[in-house]
Amino acid sequence: GAVVSQHPSRVICKSGTSVKIECRSLDFQATTMFWYRQFPKQSLMLMATSNEGSKATYEQGVEKDKFLINHASLTLSTLTVTSAHPEDSSFYICSAREAGVGETQYFGPGTRLLVL
Amino acid sequence: QQQVKQSPQSLIVQKGGISIINCAYENTAFDYFPWYQQFPGKGPALLIAIRPDVSEKKEGRFTISFNKSAKQFSLHIMDSQPGDSATYFCAAKGGTSYGKLTFGQGTILTVHP
Repeated sequence: GAVVSQHPSRVICKSGTSVKIECRSLDFQATTMFWYRQFPKQSLMLMATSNEGSKATYEQGVEKDKFLINHASLTLSTLTVTSAHPEDSSFYICSAREAGVGETQYFGPGTRLLVL
Repeated sequence: QQQVKQSPQSLIVQKGGISIINCAYENTAFDYFPWYQQFPGKGPALLIAIRPDVSEKKEGRFTISFNKSAKQFSLHIMDSQPGDSATYFCAAKGGTSYGKLTFGQGTILTVHP
């Protein structure tokens, strides 16, 4: 149980284009999802907290207009990197917390984004 | 206040040995301390977690030791295996974090056969 999927697993795009990453909780409902970014050999950096049906809460220094987050249902959150640039190349990971059940966060497999 | 400091940065252990990774925190409002294991190119996977009302928790070869007064907790991997070679992250939740996890810097564990 408690499986989180991400799609796509890898994406290569040209500079200036937008990329959408999906995060789904497959066997549970997630009122809260989190989006992280991880650079090589570094820890996870929280970008934003996404609550179903409400606006995401962004961490300090994360551009809201660049990283659009939508949490339209209890099983799906999306992260759209708008006008991507090479410096946005990173490993993006989502996690989900099951509604009403403890505080365990289950992580997705990650999405590798490469912006050329 | 929100930091979690993890050490060592890297660790090399022989097969069958004990791997020990340590974390320290400042925020006494933290109330949940998970450990995650991450393989290259994959998302982190929850290994084991503990609350501050317990001093030790064991699941298979993995044990968390928790010292509330010292604000420290550690992960012990008994009988370490080459398949345990991965990056390990400690984390903490609580206080004003609204459910957010604060991660340590990570430890790259290498278990030699």
